[in-house]
Amino acid sequence: GQQLNQSPQSMFIQEGEDVSMNCTSSSIFNTWLWYKQDPGEGPVLLIALYKAGELTSNGRLTAQFGITRKDSFLNISASIPSDVGIYFCAGQITSGGYQKVTFGTGTKLQVIP
Amino acid sequence: EAQVTQNPRYLITVTGKKLTVTCSQNMNHEYMSWYRQDPGLGLRQIYYSMNVEVTDKGDVPEGYKVSRKEKRNFPLILESPSPNQTSLYFCASSLLSSYSNQPQHFGDGTRLSIL
Repeated sequence: GQQLNQSPQSMFIQEGEDVSMNCTSSSIFNTWLWYKQDPGEGPVLLIALYKAGELTSNGRLTAQFGITRKDSFLNISASIPSDVGIYFCAGQITSGGYQKVTFGTGTKLQVIP
Repeated sequence: EAQVTQNPRYLITVTGKKLTVTCSQNMNHEYMSWYRQDPGLGLRQIYYSMNVEVTDKGDVPEGYKVSRKEKRNFPLILESPSPNQTSLYFCASSLLSSYSNQPQHFGDGTRLSIL
């Protein structure tokens, strides 16, 4: 099955630094989603993007839906220790009652206090 | 509280012993799905269901069965579990809309170990 190319796979950053991660695909999606997973829990939705070119913020998080509809990025500004976790992108297609979601392989973020 | 509930959260069992992981949602969602999560591979879809009595294979369906007899429940069945099915499993649900894509809500996961 198809998977999205998500990078980087992991990163260590100092508290207060900004973080950027992205996803690319060979297929077009009509929705891009970003989730965060804490240890021992299920993924939790951070940001949903519905239109090509859309730029959306949620607190210190900003995400964009690429113009080609084949990519998306997530930025975290001024990182804090609770940002630690695994971040997943997901591309979603819904058409005529059919829905398909494809997830990236995840970016593991470690924040050094 | 709106949620997706999976049971059990943890299970250790042996090869060949049939098991069922239950999933229930209280949000009246049409769409439900099962994923497995393995290191370095992210979340891979096993099966999904668009509504009651409507199910379809995802990307990795081999060795699994599902059923959708009621809207709220979507159990995952392993008829004859094998060690390569040791994994972390997530159930998810969402609304289905003709007008916009609805993001999925996830349960807290079930960690299965097949010896």
